[in-house]
Amino acid sequence: NAGVTQTPKFQVLKTGQSMTLQCAQDMNHNSMYWYRQDPGMGLRLIYYSASEGTTDKGEVPNGYNVSRLNKREFSLRLESAAPSQTSVYFCASSWGSEAFFGQGTRLTVV
Amino acid sequence: QKEVEQNSGPLSVPEGAIASLNCTYSDRGSQSFFWYRQYSGKSPELIMFIYSNGDKEDGRFTAQLNKASQYVSLLIRDSQPSDSATYLCAVKVRGSARQLTFGSGTQLTVLP
Repeated sequence: NAGVTQTPKFQVLKTGQSMTLQCAQDMNHNSMYWYRQDPGMGLRLIYYSASEGTTDKGEVPNGYNVSRLNKREFSLRLESAAPSQTSVYFCASSWGSEAFFGQGTRLTVV
Repeated sequence: QKEVEQNSGPLSVPEGAIASLNCTYSDRGSQSFFWYRQYSGKSPELIMFIYSNGDKEDGRFTAQLNKASQYVSLLIRDSQPSDSATYLCAVKVRGSARQLTFGSGTQLTVLP
């Protein structure tokens, strides 16, 4: 059982480049989330999707877009990367209250 | 005021001691409370959740909730070096589809 799978694990971007972080879950969960984690800041919600076909902004959505492609997949896109987006990104999914996290993507924007 | 606050630490305790981790929250509509453990370079994993006032025990872990004081804590008895990690408090507000709001975490080190 793979759980929540994120790709890539590591990425270095130049300022202004774009990229998409991929996330897939095999637990048949309705809800999926994207968080970023910065030192001393805990986990901050970027976007979430309560069900297939719906997405909503979280606490820090600026500079990001998301797509809930189907029930399994929830992608996060950076259209024009900025150094402030250097962070560790976690995808998560849940059915009830417990959230299950992917392994994380360490993104550096130079 | 941050919605969920934790002392960032670091907190150091000797092996075998009780580690006490604290968390306060601001939204009185908060319904569910969670403790996640995160080892360095890894993703968070759920270790405890509590919904009702009082204590909830699971092995060496005890979660304590006081809704009147808007306070939730995690006690780790007989602390082991393998408990060294960052502990994240998370809160779910009733009726919110946004799921969890996290604190910034407390870094715990258990000294052999």
